[in-house]
Amino acid sequence: AQSVTQLGSHVSVSEGALVLLRCNYSSSVPPYLFWYVQYPNQGLQLLLKYTTGATLVKGINGFEAEFKKSETSFHLTKPSAHMSDAAEYFCAVSGSNFGNEKLTFGTGTRLTIIP
Amino acid sequence: DTGVSQDPRHKITKRGQNVTFRCDPISEHNRLYWYRQTLGQGPEFLTYFQNEAQLEKSRLLSDRFSAERPKGSFSTLEIQRTEQGDSAMYLCASSFRAGEGETQYFGPGTRLLVL
Repeated sequence: AQSVTQLGSHVSVSEGALVLLRCNYSSSVPPYLFWYVQYPNQGLQLLLKYTTGATLVKGINGFEAEFKKSETSFHLTKPSAHMSDAAEYFCAVSGSNFGNEKLTFGTGTRLTIIP
Repeated sequence: DTGVSQDPRHKITKRGQNVTFRCDPISEHNRLYWYRQTLGQGPEFLTYFQNEAQLEKSRLLSDRFSAERPKGSFSTLEIQRTEQGDSAMYLCASSFRAGEGETQYFGPGTRLLVL
């Protein structure tokens, strides 16, 4: 079984400040980890993913995340927030010995950017 | 490549009516997933297809729900005798099975409101 916990359902940061969105996972198999972003009334867009190899993953729009196995974490960061970053962010985990790579999502973090 | 499309984008229906949603995946993607997202929650897995075969169904998928993917192309999700609890956003995603940690590409979703 797999699960994801996103700490903080709402995060507010000032424009130009550091963005940090937290994600912890639980998985009985080696995890594949994802961050998706969702804008209002739209589907989900992939920001970045970790499968194997380098634990620091860079994604689109200046976001990056680091896989820390010892902490079971995959936190998302961006050095300088932009107004266009305001959206809902979902962390997800997959990984299966049986071929179904369904995603298990966290409950999401709504990011607000303060001008 | 025009992305994953879903139709309709919005559906309002009365309790007890049947509804059907359609998903057109990215061409040549052999996997197709359905998820349901309720307000304030992350998407939850419903079912998935590899080509035309439906390989797994979530326990969330009651007997009133049925999904098909004839010829391994588009997919339909039908809900019979809708209930108010079925009100949600229904998301479709597709991927190409090319190893583990595959990326799922999401459509814009169909928002269902059951009155």
